[in-house]
Amino acid sequence: AQSVTQLGSHVSVSEGALVLLRCNYSSSVPPYLFWYVQYPNQGLQLLLKYTSAATLVKGINGFEAEFKKSETSFHLTKPSAHMSDAAEYFCAVKDQAGTALIFGKGTTLSVSS
Amino acid sequence: SAVISQKPSRDICQRGTSLTIQCQVDSQVTMMFWYRQQPGQSLTLIATANQGSEATYESGFVIDKFPISRPNLTFSTLTVSNMSPEDSSIYLCSPGLAGNGDTQYFGPGTRLTVL
Repeated sequence: AQSVTQLGSHVSVSEGALVLLRCNYSSSVPPYLFWYVQYPNQGLQLLLKYTSAATLVKGINGFEAEFKKSETSFHLTKPSAHMSDAAEYFCAVKDQAGTALIFGKGTTLSVSS
Repeated sequence: SAVISQKPSRDICQRGTSLTIQCQVDSQVTMMFWYRQQPGQSLTLIATANQGSEATYESGFVIDKFPISRPNLTFSTLTVSNMSPEDSSIYLCSPGLAGNGDTQYFGPGTRLTVL
């Protein structure tokens, strides 16, 4: 069964520092992989998605993620954190078109000045 | 992407009562997914609803507790029945959109508090 594991429930960085949020997936077939962000008291917003077109995926707000099949990973990065990046980040997977997304437990990103 | 609306946006209910949450999409979709997000937690899939057939429930969720209707391709409802404080969560609908990398977009959610 497909699943995702987000390593680190809470990540703290300083403003301007590199952001790295980890996601490993378990799927028997090439998956569809997504990152979503949820700001406090707001809905889910799609950051980026991998659908096999390119292994390095660029998303909104300067975020990007790299699909590494050998490591079954889809880590989210941003070169320079901004205070406005503080939010909850969810990695999600589906292994077939038309099925529902399965979410990881989420990572809370805190950014300090 | 689709425009997704949910009603109500939030509600405070008494235990033992039921609440029906509505989800409206601005385009026709075959499948509708319903999720629950408990306080401080991730999203958990409740059920998948296809138009014209009974919803398929995930382990731990049953139709008597969370009946779902899907009267047409743009609308769905989720009812939370005989509520208890443990049902306090955000409930979100998400249409299954074909194509576009099978991206799922989410409604704004219904924040439910059960006293």
